Amino acid sequence: QVHLVQSGAEVKRPGASVKVSCTASGYTLTSYGISWVRQAPGQGLEWMGWINTYNGYTTYAQKFQGRLTMTRDTSTSTAYMELRSLRSDDTAVYYCARDVSGTAVGRWFDAWGQGTLVTVSS
Amino acid sequence: DIQMTQSPSSLSASVGDRVTITCRASQSISSHVNWYQQKPGKAPRLLVYAASSLQSGVPSRFSGSGSGSDFTLTISSLQPEDFATYYCQQSFITSALTFGGGTKVEI
Repeated sequence: QVHLVQSGAEVKRPGASVKVSCTASGYTLTSYGISWVRQAPGQGLEWMGWINTYNGYTTYAQKFQGRLTMTRDTSTSTAYMELRSLRSDDTAVYYCARDVSGTAVGRWFDAWGQGTLVTVSS
Repeated sequence: DIQMTQSPSSLSASVGDRVTITCRASQSISSHVNWYQQKPGKAPRLLVYAASSLQSGVPSRFSGSGSGSDFTLTISSLQPEDFATYYCQQSFITSALTFGGGTKVEI
């Protein structure tokens, strides 16, 4: 049974950084990528980026270029998302999701973490 | 980025109703569309991938169709547990995945 378990809620000051973890179980982390998706309060879903957990290659949405870093630790089956220079509009629930590539038919997210609330407030 | 426009943004329905949600892409995206269900306070759940393939464990009353730029999620007979928000998502541009704005299905 596939499980993604995320770290707990965080409260940060504007300008600070946050690092959220996502630990996979029930499958081999390096067999699938991990995407990160966020959801501001009362809003829709926003894709942030993706990490190839096999080789560490990353792709970030243009909006987050320069202040987002995704990494992974294969020894602990854990992926990480670090967002820097936090602003109040970064307040959101952050989800990790297992990213399945269907070659010619696209990509989809077939398992999700429980979400981590990050609150940015002075 | 490809824009995904969902309609309606919300709808009221009753148990047993047939419900249809539409998603239109700003350009042709082949069949690279997925559908998710989200209940309040919960993570999204994958329902349909590649436009029409039902995810394992998802009830057969859910179905997806379409190709090119117009896509549809249909619930053939709405059940009490189906009241939720539904999102489409495109993966045609793999460096810029985008979601629709969501459709809230209410009683």
